[in-house]
Amino acid sequence: ETGVTQSPTHLIKTRGQQVTLRCSSQSGHNTVSWYQQALGQGPQFIFQYYREEENGRGNFPPRFSGLQFPNYSSELNVNALELDDSALYLCASSSPGQGNTEAFFGQGTRLTVV
Amino acid sequence: KNEVEQSPQNLTAQEEEFITINCSYSVGISALHWLQQHPGGGIVSLFMLSSGKKKHGRLIATINIQEKHSSLHITASHPRDSAVYICAGLYNTDKLIFGTGTRLQVFP
Repeated sequence: ETGVTQSPTHLIKTRGQQVTLRCSSQSGHNTVSWYQQALGQGPQFIFQYYREEENGRGNFPPRFSGLQFPNYSSELNVNALELDDSALYLCASSSPGQGNTEAFFGQGTRLTVV
Repeated sequence: KNEVEQSPQNLTAQEEEFITINCSYSVGISALHWLQQHPGGGIVSLFMLSSGKKKHGRLIATINIQEKHSSLHITASHPRDSAVYICAGLYNTDKLIFGTGTRLQVFP
């Protein structure tokens, strides 16, 4: 077990609704990255948070937003949900500033938009 | 553009077979992760390497920096090795770009 926990594990939402996914990082890790994995695809980078600031963003629209808290846990928010947002959302924690680039992944949140 | 390509996409094997999964990556990627994803979705990091070779049990990962190529080998494969294996390249020291994964099924 990696120490990275995500909640909820499964979620069903209706198109147009908003959703918040949560991630608690590995103890001592100050960086959290979020990824979207559509069925049959590799994960795609959404954005990364380092010490409560966004530190890089992939090709995702502004309705995907995030937060990182002082304890380095993080939230991913998606507004105006679309059917194509149905995917597994993964978070990974790391601490690259301490010379350790190994990433630890959570179990993911499976979001279904109907 | 940072890219990671994996092959094959799908792989079936009989128990005890030696398995190789390949990964090629572009300039700008400084290290490679090999990850394992089971049907439930959770990802487990198997190896991270930037040079040479690493071994853990029946798993061996190698990387050739000049050729920008890495391989994951599984010796004496077992049905419990059935999973999706993903290689991911590390760029900008802290961001990952993923391959599409190799779905491995090992039959008894």
